[in-house]
Amino acid sequence: GDSVTQTEGQVALSEEDFLTIHCNYSASGYPALFWYVQYPGEGPQFLFRASRDKEKGSSRGFEATYDKGTTSFHLRKASVQESDSAVYYCALGDRDGGYKVVFGSGTRLLVSP
Amino acid sequence: EAAVTQSPRNKVAVTGGKVTLSCNQTNNHNNMYWYRQDTGHGLRLIHYSYGAGSTEKGDIPDGYKASRPSQENFSLILELATPSQTSVYFCASGNSNTEVFFGKGTRLTVV
Repeated sequence: GDSVTQTEGQVALSEEDFLTIHCNYSASGYPALFWYVQYPGEGPQFLFRASRDKEKGSSRGFEATYDKGTTSFHLRKASVQESDSAVYYCALGDRDGGYKVVFGSGTRLLVSP
Repeated sequence: EAAVTQSPRNKVAVTGGKVTLSCNQTNNHNNMYWYRQDTGHGLRLIHYSYGAGSTEKGDIPDGYKASRPSQENFSLILELATPSQTSVYFCASGNSNTEVFFGKGTRLTVV
């Protein structure tokens, strides 16, 4: 079945560091790919999406490019801030009977001043 | 602003008891989802629905049932609750190919 793999469980950075969180997916169809962010005590919030090969999604300085060849959608940000500390989830959406949305295991980002 | 409301927000249940978690959305979205969130596992899909009257099994459906009696409402039912079902449960809604919107979550403790 469809699945999403995030290899980093936690990433610790200092302010102004460059961020990369890796996301790889496995799907039988041609899924849409998403990034979500979750702050303590809240539900996950949509960050951005991409739905076709080579499409770049972006929001709030974060970006990721859909790569069908490597089945990846890595999250990057050039200069992180302390306020970016949160849990980040990669997800895919695909038709499977209805429309199934599957999430990765999440990556906790800790940014120190 | 998309609205997804979950009730109750907190619940303590007894092992072997029946638990019903409710979710209501006012977004007129076709699709609704139930996830559980556990440390180290992220968000795992339990059941989902693509319209009133439909329910589909997600990746971890064992021990759970779902019911979608209307476009707005989607319930998760634990017929015989076990301590392993202690978790935070999230409901979400969305349309196909677009983002989903989450509720604030329900913290369930089974003792």
